[in-house]
Amino acid sequence: SQKIEQNSEALNIQEGKTATLTCNYTNYSPAYLQWYRQDPGRGPVFLLLIRENEKEKRKERLKVTFDTTLKQSLFHITASQPADSATYLCALNAGKSTFGDGTTLTVKP
Amino acid sequence: NAGVTQTPKFQVLKTGQSMTLQCAQDMNHNSMYWYRQDPGMGLRLIYYSASEGTTDKGEVPNGYNVSRLNKREFSLRLESAAPSQTSVYFCASSPGEYQPQHFGDGTRLSIL
Repeated sequence: SQKIEQNSEALNIQEGKTATLTCNYTNYSPAYLQWYRQDPGRGPVFLLLIRENEKEKRKERLKVTFDTTLKQSLFHITASQPADSATYLCALNAGKSTFGDGTTLTVKP
Repeated sequence: NAGVTQTPKFQVLKTGQSMTLQCAQDMNHNSMYWYRQDPGMGLRLIYYSASEGTTDKGEVPNGYNVSRLNKREFSLRLESAAPSQTSVYFCASSPGEYQPQHFGDGTRLSIL
């Protein structure tokens, strides 16, 4: 069956470090993959989209990689700040959008 | 600069009552979506509308109906609410079916 897994429910890091979040999938052949940020009590906010023929995408302190052989995407936040604390969701677009359960990132000062 | 507007923000229902959740977007997007999000979980697609005049089932459509009233509005109806439908409901829209989605801030629905 089709499955999306995001690494551990919670990730705690120190301010200034790089946060790395993982999104693994099975039995999908997504045309592209998206990352969203969700703050408590709010709807998700789109961050980045990466297509299957792209290896890497960057936006300011954010970087996403997409390895269709490993069936994995990595989401990096460099020089992390307490304001980066949120839940991050990956979403596959193989027809209908399918979201992972999210990883809650806490950046401690 | 409203984006996606959902009403109401909170609602409490009794089992068996009916309810329509409203969603409107002002970005001239073609595609609209309804999701539910249970505690500690991701979003599960209930129904979506790829374009005005079309609707299709998502992952968890049972117990729900939708209406794409016009390009701006996409409503979700619970005909006979059940406690298992207690959740946070999010509406989203996108320019096209496979493009980034813009979300509303959700409707928090409790069914007793």
